[in-house]
Amino acid sequence: SYELTQPPSVSVSPGQTASITCSGNNLGDKFACWYQQRPGQSPVLVIYQDTKRPSGIPERFSGSNSGNTATLTISGTQAMDEADYYCQAWDSSTVLFGGGTKLTVL
Amino acid sequence: QVQLVESGGGVVQPGGSLRLSCAASGFTFSTYAMHWVRQAPGKGLEWVAFIRYDGSNKYYADSVKGRLTISRDNSKNTLYLQMNSLRGEDTALYYCAKDGVPFCSTISCIDGFDCWGQGTLVTVSS
Repeated sequence: SYELTQPPSVSVSPGQTASITCSGNNLGDKFACWYQQRPGQSPVLVIYQDTKRPSGIPERFSGSNSGNTATLTISGTQAMDEADYYCQAWDSSTVLFGGGTKLTVL
Repeated sequence: QVQLVESGGGVVQPGGSLRLSCAASGFTFSTYAMHWVRQAPGKGLEWVAFIRYDGSNKYYADSVKGRLTISRDNSKNTLYLQMNSLRGEDTALYYCAKDGVPFCSTISCIDGFDCWGQGTLVTVSS
């Protein structure tokens, strides 16, 4: 079965760039989405169709998807960006989520 | 504004049943596919089930197939999840989520889930 793999944790200093990866076999042939989940809150869509931002999502959030890896990039990371991030894609008749990455802003 | 409100969670014994509801408002419910997604305590997100905007097509995760049933009543703007033969591993916070594309006829509507409810907690324990 198809799987999406994320690193369990990523750390970044305030103002720096954070990159969170999501790996899957030929993931670049599919569309990927990313969700942010702050502690105690519901997930929020931050990237869809690999690179698009929903209205209200800051420009510092961007995405890419090529080969076997989709990447969420947060430029100029702020303390409020500390959260869990999940990638999501589709395979056959199934919705897939990555295991999640805890972003720590040190 | 777009809003999803889940209800119906609670504590149930193994083998028991429960029905979750998700009341939708702020958008034309009958034109969007809907999903249930769950999150076990301290764990990641797990997709559970999909239903097409008109209810004519449904898909399930292998882990719940044959035990959980998704349905909707477009006249009441409400999504449901009937949960039977519950197991300990079904313990989770259950979210309903709205698909981002209207009138999408497949599960892979590529705009993702653009609105989530606050979740309702299901605990399966004796």
